[in-house]
Amino acid sequence: DADVTQTPRNRITKTGKRIMLECSQTKGHDRMYWYRQDPGLGLRLIYYSFDVKDINKGEISDGYSVSRQAQAKFSLSLESAIPNQTALYFCATSDSPDRGTEAFFGQGTRLTVV
Amino acid sequence: GEDVEQSLFLSVREGDSSVINCTYTDSSSTYLYWYKQEPGAGLQLLTYIFSNMDMKQDQRLTVLLNKKDKHLSLRIADTQTGDSAIYFCAERPGTYKYIFGTGTRLKVLA
Repeated sequence: DADVTQTPRNRITKTGKRIMLECSQTKGHDRMYWYRQDPGLGLRLIYYSFDVKDINKGEISDGYSVSRQAQAKFSLSLESAIPNQTALYFCATSDSPDRGTEAFFGQGTRLTVV
Repeated sequence: GEDVEQSLFLSVREGDSSVINCTYTDSSSTYLYWYKQEPGAGLQLLTYIFSNMDMKQDQRLTVLLNKKDKHLSLRIADTQTGDSAIYFCAERPGTYKYIFGTGTRLKVLA
């Protein structure tokens, strides 16, 4: 089983719909992240969380919200999806810096908003 | 500001060396990374270098760091078709977030 699991892997939704992307991890890491990937723009940080009570906005948080339901679960919501939110979304986890430096990524969720 | 830049494409012949370059802006980054993304997959760590190092070698991979110019490079020796992927440079300023570059798509020609 993957260490970082994202569901769904692919989703097509209509403009204006609310959609939730889910992420769960078995690494036992405190830190979790949501990124979106767009061609030519690389990965941009949407939200990150250091623990269940600590949620922080990234560089492109407008139009998104998150929920850290447990240490292992971090979900991303699009309250009212719009076409320019069509992208590949990645969840990632990492340990605290004194215990490790690598970020571990899920397989990604390809979201299309029509 | 925070910005990590890479060229978007690189094409090499099988057996040649590939060099992927990256420039970053935050001199406080303690670690700098190279991630590989294969089609349909997430990113996987290839290698990283601590900021007090100039070079790191790991089998076919050589990472060079020029802190003065804020320049990072990844050299892949004897490039194979299986090396075709998108390569992301990343820095980690402070202790909490990773900043990724635009990614370089490496195409290896047989």
